[in-house]
Amino acid sequence: NAGVIQTPRHKVTGKGQEATLWCEPISGHSAVFWYRQTIVQGLEFLTYFRNQAPIDDSGMPKERFSAQMPNQSHSTLKIQSTQPQDSAVYLCASSLDGIWGDTQYFGPGTRLLVL
Amino acid sequence: GQQVQQSPASLVLQEGENAELQCNFSTSLNSMQWFYQRPEGSLVSLFYNPSGTKQSGRLTSTTVIKERRSSLHISSSQITDSGTYLCAMEGTGSKLSFGKGAKLTVSP
Repeated sequence: NAGVIQTPRHKVTGKGQEATLWCEPISGHSAVFWYRQTIVQGLEFLTYFRNQAPIDDSGMPKERFSAQMPNQSHSTLKIQSTQPQDSAVYLCASSLDGIWGDTQYFGPGTRLLVL
Repeated sequence: GQQVQQSPASLVLQEGENAELQCNFSTSLNSMQWFYQRPEGSLVSLFYNPSGTKQSGRLTSTTVIKERRSSLHISSSQITDSGTYLCAMEGTGSKLSFGKGAKLTVSP
C-alpha cells in the first residue's frame, strides 16, 4: 500500500500562471479531501469528494480554485492565475467511507510557491 | 472571528510527563477531530470524537459538547510524541475549522 500519493511534491509558478495539483487516493477509498496549510492561516479545509461526487466545497476560494475527481483513482486541484498568497502546502487525504468519523490518511503534500 | 481556540500554543515536557491540550469552540459543534502533525510535516488522524471520551493507547480525548470544549491528554510522554497537535471542529452548517495547533516538545 503506497498510501496517498501527491504530485508534484514541489511546484514553483510565476504569478498569473496555472497550477494543477494531483492526488491519488488509497485504492478502495471512496473519499478524497483537500486542505491547504500556511504559516499565517494554519490548516484550512478546502473541499471533499465522496464516490467522485463533490460533497462539500465550503472552504474553496470562490475564484480561481477548482477541484475535480474524474475517476476513483485521482483528484485534481487547479488554481488559475496563481497569486503569491496561494503559496502553501496543499494536502490531500483519503478515507474509506467518506464520513467525518472515518480515519483520514494524508499524503505528503504539494508545496506550491508562487513568485 | 476565530472559531477554534487551542491552548497552550506550545508546551515543553520532560519524557514521562503528561500533557493536556485544550480546544474551545465559539460556536455550536456537530463533531470534532484531533490530528497530529509530525515535525517533518506529515499529518495523522488521531481521533474523531463528537462527544464523550475516547482512548487510544496513551492518548485520551474528551469532548463536552455543552461546554464547547475538547481536550487531548497524553500520558507518559515520549520523545516521539513531539510535534504539533491540531483540533478541528465541524459546526452546524459550516466547514471544518482548525485550531492553530499546539506544538509539543518532549525532551529526554
